[in-house]
Amino acid sequence: KAGVTQTPRYLIKTRGQQVTLSCSPISGHRSVSWYQQTPGQGLQFLFEYFSETQRNKGNFPGRFSGRQFSNSRSEMNVSTLELGDSALYLCASSLKGQGMDEQFFGPGTRLTVL
Amino acid sequence: KNQVEQSPQSLIILEGKNCTLQCNYTVSPFSNLRWYKQDTGRGPVSLTIMTFSENTKSNGRYTATLDADTKQSSLHITASQLSDSASYICVVKGRTDSWGKLQFGAGTQVVVTP
Repeated sequence: KAGVTQTPRYLIKTRGQQVTLSCSPISGHRSVSWYQQTPGQGLQFLFEYFSETQRNKGNFPGRFSGRQFSNSRSEMNVSTLELGDSALYLCASSLKGQGMDEQFFGPGTRLTVL
Repeated sequence: KNQVEQSPQSLIILEGKNCTLQCNYTVSPFSNLRWYKQDTGRGPVSLTIMTFSENTKSNGRYTATLDADTKQSSLHITASQLSDSASYICVVKGRTDSWGKLQFGAGTQVVVTP
């Protein structure tokens, strides 16, 4: 069974631009969660989607948004990029979500904002 | 204040030697504790998941212990290999927590030298 895939793997943008990241979960998994990881803050939860509905949301500004499609693939969008948005963005998928079962992480997208 | 504290922050170990990483938490009521291994630039990979009733769990050369009374866990790496060089993250889930409320430790950076 293929693992969680994320595209692109690396991205360089400038301040003020917007970016869209994509995540394809493991086949059959309906929950997709997004995390931001920085050296100073560690892993921080962004949001979770389940069956196309946002089920949980972390403490990030409205510039961070996401959506999930009927095939469970998910996208995350960051508008008006700031230097502090430079980070590794990870997505994770699970069957049930809500912390009830194991979640599997993708390789991440490394975003650099100049 | 972070409810999951890991120590040491980093350590260097000679190939073939053993090492032990610590995780102290204050999350209550407790549901489970997970140890993840994260290679540089990659997503975390689960090593072990331990529930309240489990004291020890092994995954190859990795052995995790849990003392739910003192709210402490350790991850022991036996006969370290160069491929063990990574960040090890302790994650604690409260009984009613969804993904959004998982408590992540800051991680311990392990470097194995020849």
